[in-house]
Amino acid sequence: EVQLLESGGGLVQPGGSLRVSCAASGFTFSRYGMNWVRQAPGKGLEWVSSISGSGGSTYYADSVKGRFTISRDNSKNTLYLQMNSLRAEDTAVYFCTRPIFGVVNAFDYWGQGTLVTVSS
Amino acid sequence: EIVLTQSPATLSLSPGERATLSCRASQSVSSYLAWYQQKPGQALRLLIYDASTRATGIPARFSGSGSGTDFTLSISSLEPEDFAVYYCQQWSNWPPITFGQGTRLEIK
Repeated sequence: EVQLLESGGGLVQPGGSLRVSCAASGFTFSRYGMNWVRQAPGKGLEWVSSISGSGGSTYYADSVKGRFTISRDNSKNTLYLQMNSLRAEDTAVYFCTRPIFGVVNAFDYWGQGTLVTVSS
Repeated sequence: EIVLTQSPATLSLSPGERATLSCRASQSVSSYLAWYQQKPGQALRLLIYDASTRATGIPARFSGSGSGTDFTLSISSLEPEDFAVYYCQQWSNWPPITFGQGTRLEIK
């Protein structure tokens, strides 16, 4: 059974940093690109970042480019999102998602999400 | 960036009725479109991908149609568990991947 379990969310001050993680199981992690999607409270879904299966290619939304870094450790079946220079508008639930195939596609598996709150 | 516009924002129907949700793209996305269902406290669920292909385990009452810029998600006969928020998503021209703003399907 495919499982995606996010962790690492919490309260951080504006300008601060946080790293969220996603532990994957039930599939061959290195064969899939992975993605982060976020949802601000009461709002819709926003794609944040993608990474190829090898980790050699990464992609970012303009809203986070230069501040967030996606990475993965295929030996640990874990996806990461390092978030720096956090702003109030980054407050959201962050979901880890797996595409049907490739780096980006429809997302057939989603985690439950981890809440990041940026506030003083 | 491709903008997806969903309509209506809210749809009020009764169990047993047919639901029709729309998603319009600002430019052609070919068939690179998916539909998702979101319920509180549950992981998002993929319903339809490639505009019209049902995902694994999705009941036959859910169907998707369209190509280019106009897409529809239909639910033939609403069950109580179908009342939720629905999103469309495109990956035709990325980055960025984009989502619609959502349609809330509520019980009348």
